[in-house]
Amino acid sequence: EAQVTQNPRYLITVTGKKLTVTCSQNMNHEYMSWYRQDPGLGLRQIYYSMNVEVTDKGDVPEGYKVSRKEKRNFPLILESPSPNQTSLYFCASSSGKALTNYGYTFGSGTRLTVV
Amino acid sequence: AQSVAQPEDQVNVAEGNPLTVKCTYSVSGNPYLFWYVQYPNRGLQFLLKYITGDNLVKGSYGFEAEFNKSQTSFHLKKPSALVSDSALYFCAVRDMKRNTGFQKLVFGTGTRLLVSP
Repeated sequence: EAQVTQNPRYLITVTGKKLTVTCSQNMNHEYMSWYRQDPGLGLRQIYYSMNVEVTDKGDVPEGYKVSRKEKRNFPLILESPSPNQTSLYFCASSSGKALTNYGYTFGSGTRLTVV
Repeated sequence: AQSVAQPEDQVNVAEGNPLTVKCTYSVSGNPYLFWYVQYPNRGLQFLLKYITGDNLVKGSYGFEAEFNKSQTSFHLKKPSALVSDSALYFCAVRDMKRNTGFQKLVFGTGTRLLVSP
């Protein structure tokens, strides 16, 4: 089954403790993105990647890092999480053709709470 | 930059009645527009898209959307709402960076649809 897999689904952590949210897709998509979803703000892009070793900042990149060492994986790293990073995070993937046809395929989300 | 706006935070409708969820867009060039639905504790699911062609686009679960170029709108519609349609709906537009060619989706703020029995 074609899918985007995020882990973990839920995470509670303390301020300053480094964490990684993993994302993997099995569709050989070149595009991958991370979004955060906050009430009243919709989905905002954090980082995106066009292909292996090609990443760039989205609209809200502060406090986040990403890497794309393999085509299927695109982890999101919070080096020193803060309470304002409490949010619902989505990983998404697409190819150029797929984006025109149906946009992104989304993961199920990771609900992060930073206390 | 391309953008979409969803002017309503919430839409309430009775089951069996028609529903409309509004979206307006601001783009340079021809718009590629999408609607997604998000059920509780789930990721976003594709409903339908408009690229070119007929202004009335049909999608999943009986939803359709009407593209109106003069009003720069892409409203989501359904002739008869179901309680199970209650969810969060997002409008999105494709944005392409000229220098890199990278394509992404820019989302609206979302509209919560509540269908009462």
